[in-house]
Amino acid sequence: AQSVAQPEDQVNVAEGNPLTVKCTYSVSGNPYLFWYVQYPNRGLQFLLKYITGDNLVKGSYGFEAEFNKSQTSFHLKKPSALVSDSALYFCAVRDRGSTLGRLYFGRGTQLTVWP
Amino acid sequence: DADVTQTPRNRITKTGKRIMLECSQTKGHDRMYWYRQDPGLGLRLIYYSFDVKDINKGEISDGYSVSRQAQAKFSLSLESAIPNQTALYFCATSDPDPNQGTDTQYFGPGTRLTVL
Repeated sequence: AQSVAQPEDQVNVAEGNPLTVKCTYSVSGNPYLFWYVQYPNRGLQFLLKYITGDNLVKGSYGFEAEFNKSQTSFHLKKPSALVSDSALYFCAVRDRGSTLGRLYFGRGTQLTVWP
Repeated sequence: DADVTQTPRNRITKTGKRIMLECSQTKGHDRMYWYRQDPGLGLRLIYYSFDVKDINKGEISDGYSVSRQAQAKFSLSLESAIPNQTALYFCATSDPDPNQGTDTQYFGPGTRLTVL
């Protein structure tokens, strides 16, 4: 069974500080992993994805994520947070062996960056 | 993403009414999806379609039906709305990328549905 856990409902960080939003996953095979961001009253926007190769994936708006196979994690990071990064972040996983293209989403983490 | 549009953006209706939510895309993607979002639960898949002739149930399809009228259009219907269908509904589209082995889903702005 596929599942995604985002262990923190809320992350608060000061502007200029590094931020981390955590994600762990469980899939029957090897995963494709995704991060999406949702701003208020907007749809989900794609940030980045891990397919294969380098464990550090760079995405939009200065975000990056690190794939760790042994810990089954895919944490989202940014070296210096901005107030405008405040939003709801979703991690998602798809089993590499599945032909269906279904994504399984975590429950979301609300990131608040204070000035 | 302006390439995926949803109508209406907000809707308030009463229990027992039939409701249709519409999704259109100009991305030329074959695959389309309907999700609902509830606070603290993330997104859950209702239905998905890989082409005009292909419709599949997701994890929470009970009480919903869909119609894929064309490659660009995918509608979600609530035949008899009930209050626990109050949620934010998202349409998404994707196309498989043979170079990457997976597709990326792109989401519409959402429809906020309230069932009284």
